[in-house]
Amino acid sequence: QSVLTQPPSVSAAPGQNVTISCSGSYSNIGNNYVSWYQQLPGTAPRLLISDTNKRPSGIPDRFSASKSDTSATLAITGLQTGDEADYYCETTDNNLSVLFGGGTKLTVL
Amino acid sequence: QVQLVQSGPEVKKPGASVKVSCKTSGYTFISYGISWVRQAPGQGLEWVGWISGYNGKTHYAQKFQGSVTLTTDTSTSTAYMEMTSLRSDDTAVYYCARDEVYSTGWFDHWGQGTLVTVSS
Repeated sequence: QSVLTQPPSVSAAPGQNVTISCSGSYSNIGNNYVSWYQQLPGTAPRLLISDTNKRPSGIPDRFSASKSDTSATLAITGLQTGDEADYYCETTDNNLSVLFGGGTKLTVL
Repeated sequence: QVQLVQSGPEVKKPGASVKVSCKTSGYTFISYGISWVRQAPGQGLEWVGWISGYNGKTHYAQKFQGSVTLTTDTSTSTAYMEMTSLRSDDTAVYYCARDEVYSTGWFDHWGQGTLVTVSS
């Protein structure tokens, strides 16, 4: 069971918008950055968002993220079939140990 | 371009050890750290530990303290993860990922993964 809680699955149609939540506590999300990763089937994860809301170069601005208190949210606008993947949030605890959310499977209907 | 290339798949018996390598290129090795993350079949991501490419300082997930050793060879820009006393539930894909140099952070480049299968 992950310390960071994500919904197991979300779904939406192409062109629609979707959000994925990540819930933690003051000992992790509340006091640290949050990052988000996309994992396409059979591939290594890819960094989507670093330092809570920063997109690395090459990541489309359809992907954005925010944090409030002990929760974080990844938003994807204008869904495409290629966005179908597993999404993970990540942060550290107060001992600088890395924590991952359990992952959310995004289905583009 | 930044690349992390991992060693090939391994099959080990319970109780054995395994050592996975992660050869990096395209950046200054000592300016970053390396984290190791594993993913059991059909499961989520699990952080194993971190090592600084600068000074070899390590930080392990509590679960892996004593069973995992992370090392680096700065002459070849390569990181290693050795896991001992393997059990069947250590069967997973193990990834190396580029991390911050002084502490854990986020992982901006990943290796392709190494499947470690533990089976009698």
